[in-house]
Amino acid sequence: DAKTTQPNSMESNEEEPVHLPCNHSTISGTDYIHWYRQLPSQGPEYVIHGLTSNVNNRMASLAIAEDRKSSTLILHRATLRDAAVYYCITGNDMRFGAGTRLTVKP
Amino acid sequence: NAGVTQTPKFQVLKTGQSMTLQCAQDMNHEYMSWYRQDPGMGLRLIHYSVGAGITDQGEVPNGYNVSRSTTEDFPLRLLSAAPSQTSVYFCASSRTGDYGYTFGSGTRLTVV
Repeated sequence: DAKTTQPNSMESNEEEPVHLPCNHSTISGTDYIHWYRQLPSQGPEYVIHGLTSNVNNRMASLAIAEDRKSSTLILHRATLRDAAVYYCITGNDMRFGAGTRLTVKP
Repeated sequence: NAGVTQTPKFQVLKTGQSMTLQCAQDMNHEYMSWYRQDPGMGLRLIHYSVGAGITDQGEVPNGYNVSRSTTEDFPLRLLSAAPSQTSVYFCASSRTGDYGYTFGSGTRLTVV
């Protein structure tokens, strides 16, 4: 079973920020938190990952709770191209859960 | 730098046939994994490897074999294809588990 819990779906308006939550209460101290997304009819794409500190890159930001039992992927200004299934993953064996289907409305 | 290359892109098999899905990466990544994705579902881990000569089972290993004789290649063998193995198969690689994974473009397999 996947070690993370995410909402099945979320909606956002275009050009607004999106906060995608993930719970990983059984995460071990050395496990990284990875986020991937899968656009329709494509393979998964790496978004961001982190261990303890918040992380930023050109695609998104990752906010990690102090106890590391949860994290939030932040898309600062959603575009229509960000509509995808977003997966939060922990652990070296990289088991995917069902992910969150993000819908972006124009 | 081709990244992760999967071949073939499409394949149709008859029930009971065997075949090997190829996965190669040219990034000198130690970690490699195989996933399957059924229509409308998330990815499920079949097998993974943390280095040449080391493999381990994932969530759904039955009916599949893997080996990792080189760092570059991680083939997935279907021993006796069944219609339940109709799926899209993705291969992925990473420098280590602490880095992001790069995925291949997938192999769409149909078993009739």
